[in-house]
Amino acid sequence: AAGVIQSPRHLIKEKRETATLKCYPIPRHDTVYWYQQGPGQDPQFLISFYEKMQSDKGSIPDRFSAQQFSDYHSELNMSSLELGDSALYFCASSSQGAETQYFGPGTRLLVL
Amino acid sequence: AQSVTQPDIHITVSEGASLELRCNYSYGATPYLFWYVQSPGQGLQLLLKYFSGDTLVQGIKGFEAEFKRSQSSFNLRKPSVHWSDAAEYFCAVGAYNQGGKLIFGQGTELSVKP
Repeated sequence: AAGVIQSPRHLIKEKRETATLKCYPIPRHDTVYWYQQGPGQDPQFLISFYEKMQSDKGSIPDRFSAQQFSDYHSELNMSSLELGDSALYFCASSSQGAETQYFGPGTRLLVL
Repeated sequence: AQSVTQPDIHITVSEGASLELRCNYSYGATPYLFWYVQSPGQGLQLLLKYFSGDTLVQGIKGFEAEFKRSQSSFNLRKPSVHWSDAAEYFCAVGAYNQGGKLIFGQGTELSVKP
């Protein structure tokens, strides 16, 4: 069965650089969620989208923005990267009305 | 405030022994609950979920969990642990009409002794 696809899987950036993370949900899933998992931490909700509209917002820094496109894939844009942004970024998808979220493998971001 | 607590940061069990991982939640709305497993450097795999109905739910890999509303708990169990079960386990809670976001517990790292 098709799963959530995230790219890239690994990313190394310098401080103050920008990064773009991509998420391709499971086919026919219309809702995307982004989570950030710091080293040794639990995943923290950042933001979610349903039908290309932001549906909920969590602890996402103002330096980050995200959007969902017409094909339901989503991109998380991160600017002015800081060392503390080093983390594993998960994308999850679900279909509206179905509460189960299926997670992608994550993008591991390292900021040097 | 909404929260999920996994009291045990690290648990070690012998292979073949039984396992119970604890999860307690505090949520104002009617919750639905999940257990996810994460191997090192990997993503989160769904083990099982509870929405409503039968409070004992079965999942993959021989895991089960019991929802106890009176105790605000959703403990994960397995009768006989295999070495391949060594991983990090996360309990997560969501709520209807709350935007769908999940709140995760701090995780329990499971080690399995031969």
